Amino acid sequence: DAKTTQPNSMESNEEEPVHLPCNHSTISGTDYIHWYRQLPSQGPEYVIHGLTSNVNNRMASLAIAEDRKSSTLILHRATLRDAAVYYCILRPSDSGYALNFGKGTSLLVTP
Amino acid sequence: DGGITQSPKYLFRKEGQNVTLSCEQNLNHDAMYWYRQDPGQGLRLIYYSQIVNDFQKGDIAEGYSVSREKKESFPLTVTSAQKNPTAFYLCASSIKKAGGYTFGSGTRLTVV
Repeated sequence: DAKTTQPNSMESNEEEPVHLPCNHSTISGTDYIHWYRQLPSQGPEYVIHGLTSNVNNRMASLAIAEDRKSSTLILHRATLRDAAVYYCILRPSDSGYALNFGKGTSLLVTP
Repeated sequence: DGGITQSPKYLFRKEGQNVTLSCEQNLNHDAMYWYRQDPGQGLRLIYYSQIVNDFQKGDIAEGYSVSREKKESFPLTVTSAQKNPTAFYLCASSIKKAGGYTFGSGTRLTVV
């Protein structure tokens, strides 16, 4: 399975933008890039996903490199409620696969 | 509102006993999944099911069993063969083709 690499932790100030990087140099042409986040003692929450083009939704933006070997989740204005573990995951478009979660990036947001 | 429900939220069992964790979804999703999470770690896949009456082992299936008799339900049994069952268990569901997952709120199992 194609793997992703994320920093173990990042820190941001409240109300500032946050850029969470993810490297996936072995991505295949049919892999979707998914992002989830997990608050303490809760199940992960879907954030966003994309294939080739940049994507925006009410929670975040996803910027995908032209060669698709890396991507960046962008939180435009971090709030204290955004403090969570963020997971970057590759999901093949074939329906026979389950998501493989790594350790993700623990985001600390300070007032 | 549609969603995925796990029960109970907290569960305590004595060592050597089997225990079944419930997972129900009303999202009409075809696929369902069970993950285990240990403190400070990511999620590890136990079992998943793409369709009723069919399921596949994940990375850590030993000591666990599942059934998928109905589309809405995917219960997980933690058997006495599971050596370290104390963990946070998460159930999820999705449409089959590359869609996002919806997770339940989890069951924290403690075996004493």
